[in-house]
Amino acid sequence: VIWMTQSPSLLSASTGDRVTISCRMSQGISSYLAWYQQKPGKAPELLIYAASTLQSGVPSRFSGSGSGTDFTLTISCLQSEDFATYYCQQYYSFPQTFGQGTKLEIK
Amino acid sequence: QVTLRESGPALVKPTQTLTLTCTFSGFSLSTSGMCVSWIRQPPGKALEWLALIDWDDDKYYSTSLKTRLTISKDTSKNQVVLTMTNMDPVDTATYYCARQLTGLDYWGQGTLVTVSS
Repeated sequence: VIWMTQSPSLLSASTGDRVTISCRMSQGISSYLAWYQQKPGKAPELLIYAASTLQSGVPSRFSGSGSGTDFTLTISCLQSEDFATYYCQQYYSFPQTFGQGTKLEIK
Repeated sequence: QVTLRESGPALVKPTQTLTLTCTFSGFSLSTSGMCVSWIRQPPGKALEWLALIDWDDDKYYSTSLKTRLTISKDTSKNQVVLTMTNMDPVDTATYYCARQLTGLDYWGQGTLVTVSS
């Protein structure tokens, strides 16, 4: 099983800020990593796949980087609609696994 | 357009077997590379991946739950079924199905399953 450490678990920021969320794997996964955004009461939405490829329709202020064991999600200029919970997921091997989530709240 | 919808009981008793159906449209599970996963989320907690079935009928399961889970597909009906045996209150969660190509790109709205006597 590949273990994932997602940090921070809680992030306080203001509109217009640049924020980063980290995901670290217990072993290398090449670029088989996705990032999701989830708002309360809703299903998650895919933001980024293959570590750095933006899903169609996702604003360009979202970006992903990394390969191997260390990955980052960056939101370059926070908008009000970005306050949500974010998850990473590895799909390199089975069982697939999710990070524990990062709640992004308004400071 | 691609849609998925989960259906099943909202309430099950401890020790019972849960059967959930994912009915989808807008894609075919017989297309090479196509997969459907099940994911759950206990109230206020993180996402947990449960199982995946692919176009070739290969099946993969969560290590901790594999003895309790069975995933199957009916390509003609555009459905994927997940069964989970011996349900316990800790299995109370919203259960989602999602299409998987690279990442889980389309999700159902989820169905809340409560385990209680």
